[in-house]
Amino acid sequence: DAGVIQSPRHEVTEMGQEVTLRCKPISGHNSLFWYRQTMMRGLELLIYFNNNVPIDDSGMPEDRFSAKMPNASFSTLKIQPSEPRDSAVYFCASSSSGGSYEQYFGPGTRLTVT
Amino acid sequence: QQPVQSPQAVILREGEDAVINCSSSKALYSVHWYRQKHGEAPVFLMILLKGGEQKGHEKISASFNEKKQQSSLYLTASQLSYSGTYFCGTASSGNTGKLIFGQGTTLQVKP
Repeated sequence: DAGVIQSPRHEVTEMGQEVTLRCKPISGHNSLFWYRQTMMRGLELLIYFNNNVPIDDSGMPEDRFSAKMPNASFSTLKIQPSEPRDSAVYFCASSSSGGSYEQYFGPGTRLTVT
Repeated sequence: QQPVQSPQAVILREGEDAVINCSSSKALYSVHWYRQKHGEAPVFLMILLKGGEQKGHEKISASFNEKKQQSSLYLTASQLSYSGTYFCGTASSGNTGKLIFGQGTTLQVKP
């Protein structure tokens, strides 16, 4: 299995630009998670999907952030407009449903907003 | 509510043992442990479930005290490869996979 795939691996953009991060979960997994990691705030859950449906988006920082999962093999996290404080590593993870299953993390996207 | 990990950092010599603790103020269904090396993604180590079931790494052991809402990860005879940051993630429900991660414990193993 190829594991969770994320693209791009690195993104440098200017403040005010739109940023789209992409994720392909492991085939057969029906839960998908988006996390943000910074030194100050640690590893934060932004949103998660179960069977392509957003279940909990309470971690999404503000309306500038949006996430979609149009099918079982693809998800996007969009930031519009981006701000310097959005600079972080964004991880996508997938798992089988439920709290008794391990999550498999993608390699992450390092976002820098100047 | 974010679980609290202790210690924040620990330095060991090869062969020494370490214990990392994770404590939550909420009732827990499961505790998950991950290790992250610098510049890499977190990697799954172990899950401890309410009721005593465990899944994970053969060479790493852990405990889960459901009544105290605490878990401990035991690293014995540490190797250089054990270096990294260890995170516990807690789930309050078995119906969802939502995890709340602690702030992490940095472990450095020296030769």
